[in-house]
Amino acid sequence: LAKTTQPISMDSYEGQEVNITCSHNNIATNDYITWYQQFPSQGPRFIIQGYKTKVTNEVASLFIPADRKSSTLSLPRVSLSDTAVYYCLVGGLGGNAGNMLTFGGGTRLMVKP
Amino acid sequence: NAGVTQTPKFQVLKTGQSMTLQCAQDMNHEYMSWYRQDPGMGLRLIHYSVGAGITDQGEVPNGYNVSRSTTEDFPLRLLSAAPSQTSVYFCASRHQRDEQYFGPGTRLTVT
Repeated sequence: LAKTTQPISMDSYEGQEVNITCSHNNIATNDYITWYQQFPSQGPRFIIQGYKTKVTNEVASLFIPADRKSSTLSLPRVSLSDTAVYYCLVGGLGGNAGNMLTFGGGTRLMVKP
Repeated sequence: NAGVTQTPKFQVLKTGQSMTLQCAQDMNHEYMSWYRQDPGMGLRLIHYSVGAGITDQGEVPNGYNVSRSTTEDFPLRLLSAAPSQTSVYFCASRHQRDEQYFGPGTRLTVT
């Protein structure tokens, strides 16, 4: 299983761009990378997913270098409502290990006014 | 679509009791999973299923059983509850390559 490593916590201010990096040194060829957001007392919610290079949607961008051993979630112009825990997951594309999607410890983002 | 539903929302058990946490999805997803989340921690995978009749163990399967007789339902059984199983339990479902959809969670306390 590809393990992930993220910073435990980050602080930011409203309006700033936030970049959260995740390390996944033993990512497999078939693995893709997914980021989730979790608010207290709620289940995680999907943010973005990618396999390589760059992916952008209406809420975030995901940067994946060529070696795919890390990925960076970029949140543009954060607001107080972006205060949450962010999880990076690796896996999901077939095979017993690939079918398991496991969460690491996540990054607790605090956005201040 | 109702998405992923879980019942009950809250449950208190005594040590040694058994119970079943229910999970259902109406999105025709092949993959379903159960996670537990202890206070201040990340989610840990208990069991998962890649289709009806197929289940497999996750990271922390001990003390839990699952079955998948239909595509829609994936119940989690606690065989003999222990205080260490006090946690919030999340069920999730997805198509193979797609995002996971999570249920609202079941908050379980074992005394």
